[in-house]
Amino acid sequence: QKEVEQNSGPLSVPEGAIASLNCTYSDRGSQSFFWYRQYSGKSPELIMFIYSNGDKEDGRFTAQLNKASQYVSLLIRDSQPSDSATYLCAVNGRSNTGNQFYFGTGTSLTVIP
Amino acid sequence: AAGVIQSPRHLIKEKRETATLKCYPIPRHDTVYWYQQGPGQDPQFLISFYEKMQSDKGSIPDRFSAQQFSDYHSELNMSSLELGDSALYFCASSPRTTGELFFGEGSRLTVL
Repeated sequence: QKEVEQNSGPLSVPEGAIASLNCTYSDRGSQSFFWYRQYSGKSPELIMFIYSNGDKEDGRFTAQLNKASQYVSLLIRDSQPSDSATYLCAVNGRSNTGNQFYFGTGTSLTVIP
Repeated sequence: AAGVIQSPRHLIKEKRETATLKCYPIPRHDTVYWYQQGPGQDPQFLISFYEKMQSDKGSIPDRFSAQQFSDYHSELNMSSLELGDSALYFCASSPRTTGELFFGEGSRLTVL
């Protein structure tokens, strides 16, 4: 079992709709949770991070964390065609020697104009 | 703002050759990570350094080695290259206190 699981999609939503991306993780000791956006052939770009249970909003993006269910999600409101990309969920669990990041396989999102 | 700098951006090598990738982290970031990403794959963690010491090791082949130098730049050395080593190699840096990971643009290695 992978440390971080995501639905690979593809997920298609019409322009202006809400896109919902989900992620589960296996290590209950994980402390930090990140969402990255990656366009094809480009490097992952940090969109959101969340450390505490609940919701965190930043513009059109909302990250939701439920540590009891080991679940983190990303909502994209008013989806735009430029949001079409692969979204990577990453989980950070601290070890004695440093930070260890685990990535999900990514969810491919297509926003249809 | 300064970002993570990687070089070269593109590299073409023959099988059994050697390649070296370089990474310059964001200033004052104390942790450097190397990731390998094949087509359609998620980034696979290779190795990390904290304050110039190796901190964690992932799925890095024995043919690969890495180090971080006194100026905090890091190099990933890959020997006896195989076709399967063709991938995007990302370097990322992080401030230990906040844990956010910032990626460089990546180095695309093609092994022929």
